[in-house]
Amino acid sequence: DAGVTQSPTHLIKTRGQQVTLRCSPKSGHDTVSWYQQALGQGPQFIFQYYEEEERQRGNFPDRFSGHQFPNYSSELNVNALLLGDSALYLCASSYRAGQGEQYFGPGTRLTVT
Amino acid sequence: QKEVEQNSGPLSVPEGAIASLNCTYSDRGSQSFFWYRQYSGKSPELIMSIYSNGDKEDGRFTAQLNKASQYVSLLIRDSQPSDSATYLCAVGLYNNNDMRFGAGTRLTVKP
Repeated sequence: DAGVTQSPTHLIKTRGQQVTLRCSPKSGHDTVSWYQQALGQGPQFIFQYYEEEERQRGNFPDRFSGHQFPNYSSELNVNALLLGDSALYLCASSYRAGQGEQYFGPGTRLTVT
Repeated sequence: QKEVEQNSGPLSVPEGAIASLNCTYSDRGSQSFFWYRQYSGKSPELIMSIYSNGDKEDGRFTAQLNKASQYVSLLIRDSQPSDSATYLCAVGLYNNNDMRFGAGTRLTVKP
């Protein structure tokens, strides 16, 4: 049973650049949530996608955007990168938005220089 | 006031002891509660979920929920060195569409 996968594992970008992170949900799941985790902090909710629509959004600027594809995989895009965007980006999948547990992928470590 | 609060620790217990981890939350509309374990450099791993008041046991782990007190806890019995990790409390708002995490409690189990 395939778990949640994310790519790439690590990424180094320069301030002002744009980045795209990818996530494939666990088999049988149809909902993807994205989180940002700074060092020493708990994950912070960015947004959730279900049925190819953004269902809920946390307190993140519009520089953060996403997309969900018909096969339930998802992308997180961040424009105009800031140094403060350096963090571990986590994708979590679940079944039927609003129900059940969320399972995390291994994460993408983004470093902005 | 933070939405989800946990003691940052570190919490240190001897091997074989009971480790008690606590979490409080501010939103009375919260409906779902989760405990995740996160090893250093890894992603969070779901340990327990609890949705109604009372206790829920799974192996060495027991989650306790008291909605009136807005309090959720995790007990780890017979603690092992492999339990040494950061434990994250998460609270689901709006039917899990928006999950809020505490900053985590670092647990060390000493052999």
